[in-house]
Amino acid sequence: GENVEQHPSTLSVQEGDSAVIKCTYSDSASNYFPWYKQELGKRPQLIIDIRSNVGEKKDQRIAVTLNKTAKHFSLHITETQPEDSAVYFCAASTSGGSYIPTFGRGTSLIVHP
Amino acid sequence: EAGVTQSPTHLIKTRGQQATLRCSPISGHTSVYWYQQALGLGLQFLLWYDEGEERNRGNFPPRFSGRQFPNYSSELNVNALELEDSALYLCASSFETRQLFFGSGTQLSVL
Repeated sequence: GENVEQHPSTLSVQEGDSAVIKCTYSDSASNYFPWYKQELGKRPQLIIDIRSNVGEKKDQRIAVTLNKTAKHFSLHITETQPEDSAVYFCAASTSGGSYIPTFGRGTSLIVHP
Repeated sequence: EAGVTQSPTHLIKTRGQQATLRCSPISGHTSVYWYQQALGLGLQFLLWYDEGEERNRGNFPPRFSGRQFPNYSSELNVNALELEDSALYLCASSFETRQLFFGSGTQLSVL
């Protein structure tokens, strides 16, 4: 089955800095890669996703890049703000009838004011 | 529109007991997923239900089971509870898109 590795497990930055979280996946058939944000005590929520036919996607201060050859994808957050502090999860899944996202272990991002 | 709701919020059991967790998906969503979130382990896939049928299950023992009702709500049952079953259990729903909408979870504590 799919295996998703996520690094780092903890990331501490100063407000205004950029943050990068990296994930690798094992199943070359995976073609959908969402990122979820879980604030303390709250439910995970989708913040951005990318499909395998696209190399990069941006949404304001966040962007995701995908390298299919190397089987890795990354989340980039620019101009970080204290409200970006949360746990971020990457995931990978295939299309078809057995769509089950496999999640990484999460990255705890701490943005210091 | 109401989101995914889970009950109870917290559940305290002793080792060997059984626990039942409930989930109501967003109206119109036919798929329900169950995940276990243990500290430091991320989201571990437990079960996937769609249109009333169990479609897939993760690497968990058979004492983790569940079902989906005709109204698409779902129930997760954990039998013969063990201390390591203590975790946050998250339910998520989806319909035709790949985006999962999560509930707030049930925090299960096994003493």
